Amino acid sequence: DQQVKQNSPSLSVQEGRISILNCDYTNSMFDYFLWYKKYPAEGPTFLISISSIKDKNEDGRFTVFLNKSAKHLSLHIVPSQPGDSAVYFCAASATGTASKLTFGTGTRLQVTL
Amino acid sequence: DSGVTQTPKHLITATGQRVTLRCSPRSGDLSVYWYQQSLDQGLQFLIQYYNGEERAKGNILERFSAQQFPDLHSELNLSSLELGDSALYFCASSVVGNSYNEQFFGPGTRLTVL
Repeated sequence: DQQVKQNSPSLSVQEGRISILNCDYTNSMFDYFLWYKKYPAEGPTFLISISSIKDKNEDGRFTVFLNKSAKHLSLHIVPSQPGDSAVYFCAASATGTASKLTFGTGTRLQVTL
Repeated sequence: DSGVTQTPKHLITATGQRVTLRCSPRSGDLSVYWYQQSLDQGLQFLIQYYNGEERAKGNILERFSAQQFPDLHSELNLSSLELGDSALYFCASSVVGNSYNEQFFGPGTRLTVL
C-alpha cells in the first residue's frame, strides 16, 4: 500500500523555467511533509518541509504548497538550474510515529540548457 | 556532507551469509534511522533508535536486527542473506526523535548478494 505517491517518474524542464514536482498521499494522519533531493551515489539531502498547519513554505528558489483537502503537495523550483537535476523524493510523517518517514518513489528531474 | 557516515560503501557477499553495516550519526544527534532502497523504489523505513533504545519498527525482516551503542553509533545486521536483500541501505540521524525534525542521511551502503 503506497501511502505516498509520486506519479511522474521523470520530468524535463528547460533552464530558467519553473519545475513543478507533485506528490499525493492517502494517510490523513500525516501532518509533516518533506522534500529530499538525491544525486547518484549520495544519500538524500533535505530540501524543504511544511507542517499541516501551513499551506505554503518558501526557501529561496524552492516553494512547497500543501493542499490538505486534496491530500496533495507540490514543490516548485523557480528558476530551474542545471544543478537541480536530481531525483526528488517526497516524504511524510505523522505525530506519534516517532518521525518514521514514508517516502514516495521519486521523480527524476532533468534541467536542460 | 551531511555529517552522517556509513561504512562500508559497497559490500558484495553470497546468499546465506551475514553482514554488518555501520553508521555514525551527526555530532549531537540522538536518533538513528535505517532505510532500505531497492531498485527504483522509494526508501522503506526499517527501524529507529533513540539514545540507545529502539523507538519504532517498520518493515524489517526477522533476519535483520539493529542496535545503537552508548557512543550513539548504530549497526544493522543482516543474516541468512537472500538475493532480494540486494539494495541500498541508508542511515539517517536527527537531533531528537519526534515528527518535526528533518533527518540527515548518510551516503548509503550498496549491498549486492550473489
